[in-house]
Amino acid sequence: AQSVTQLDSQVPVFEEAPVELRCNYSSSVSVYLFWYVQYPNQGLQLLLKYLSGSTLVKGINGFEAEFNKSQTSFHLRKPSVHISDTAEYFCAVSAVGAQKLVFGQGTRLTINP
Amino acid sequence: EAQVTQNPRYLITVTGKKLTVTCSQNMNHEYMSWYRQDPGLGLRQIYYSMNVEVTDKGDVPEGYKVSRKEKRNFPLILESPSPNQTSLYFCASSPARGGRGREQFFGPGTRLTVL
Repeated sequence: AQSVTQLDSQVPVFEEAPVELRCNYSSSVSVYLFWYVQYPNQGLQLLLKYLSGSTLVKGINGFEAEFNKSQTSFHLRKPSVHISDTAEYFCAVSAVGAQKLVFGQGTRLTINP
Repeated sequence: EAQVTQNPRYLITVTGKKLTVTCSQNMNHEYMSWYRQDPGLGLRQIYYSMNVEVTDKGDVPEGYKVSRKEKRNFPLILESPSPNQTSLYFCASSPARGGRGREQFFGPGTRLTVL
């Protein structure tokens, strides 16, 4: 079975500052990794995903994440945030060959002007 | 437009009154799934379906039923809702293996309150 831990439930940052949202996972098999974003009163939208290959993955809206197999982490980063990045962010994992997604608890990113 | 739709978006009901939340996708996806989202718990899978007439329990199936009679539809049924089923519900779909790296497409959510 897989599990995901998002280490911060809330992250406040100032506009134009960099941000890192942390995600650690546990699995006994190889995995795919995902970050989803949920804007207020909306469904979830895929930000980026790691399937294989380069460990640095670039997504939409200037976000990127790095897969670190030895540390079982998949942290999300953005060098300069905007007010419009205010949302809840979910890290998710699925075992290779499986459809099921297991989600972390979510991190609420708040951008202050 | 490719999308997953859910209805209703908001629902307030009373304990024990049967209800159905509909989910429909227009992307010809084989896999569909229901999740509930609760503060501090993230999204937890209720039921999923690999294809028509094939459904299985997720992590929190108690108190819920589903059916998959058509590929595009995957309704969630609460036969006797209780207050602990007050939550935000999401339907999602994705193509079968090999399709787009298993990205799941989510509906807009249904906020259910059971009094």
